[in-house]
Amino acid sequence: SQQGEEDPQALSIQEGENATMNCSYKTSINNLQWYRQNSGRGLVHLILIRSNEREKHSGRLRVTLDTSKKSSSLLITASRAADTASYFCATALRGGADGLTFGKGTHLIIQP
Amino acid sequence: SQTIHQWPATLVQPVGSPLSLECTVEGTSNPNLYWYRQAAGRGLQLLFYSVGIGQISSEVPQNLSASRPQDRQFILSSKKLLLSDSGFYLCAWSVRNSPLHFGNGTRLTVT
Repeated sequence: SQQGEEDPQALSIQEGENATMNCSYKTSINNLQWYRQNSGRGLVHLILIRSNEREKHSGRLRVTLDTSKKSSSLLITASRAADTASYFCATALRGGADGLTFGKGTHLIIQP
Repeated sequence: SQTIHQWPATLVQPVGSPLSLECTVEGTSNPNLYWYRQAAGRGLQLLFYSVGIGQISSEVPQNLSASRPQDRQFILSSKKLLLSDSGFYLCAWSVRNSPLHFGNGTRLTVT
């Protein structure tokens, strides 16, 4: 079953606006990661936030994690047309080698 | 630097035919290797993962199998494809607790 669920499923905004995507998960996690996927391509890792962290920044990306609510958000500031992609959250349950569990993703469209 | 190669990029196969998808990683040793499948408009489903040569763990019962004949080679196979095997197959690697690094995927259409 899906561990992470992104919300909204699709988001369309104007270039220059901020985009916020949310992720909820069900069980305790070791860390939560966000990935980006351009159409027809593999996923690219964006940012990892550990369970003992509340906020993390990387360039125009800001990720928050609320373990009490089992939720995370990804904020992309000053969006660009090139940010158009699908964004997935993924959770690592035990920090081991047994892979990540992905949500269904948010499809983000940036209108030029 | 590390790279991951996955081929073919696209594949059209008839129902009942065999399948072999190959993934190789360069620039790292003893990686953890993964096969994921992505159905249209859906998230990723973990199919298999491997922590070493000959060590395969399966996440879901299915018509597919995986093998790891060499440290940096991961193969996804089927003896007889089903229509439901269509999808986008992604290979990925990681070391220790690092994020996953994905290949560019194989689009499989079973007709």
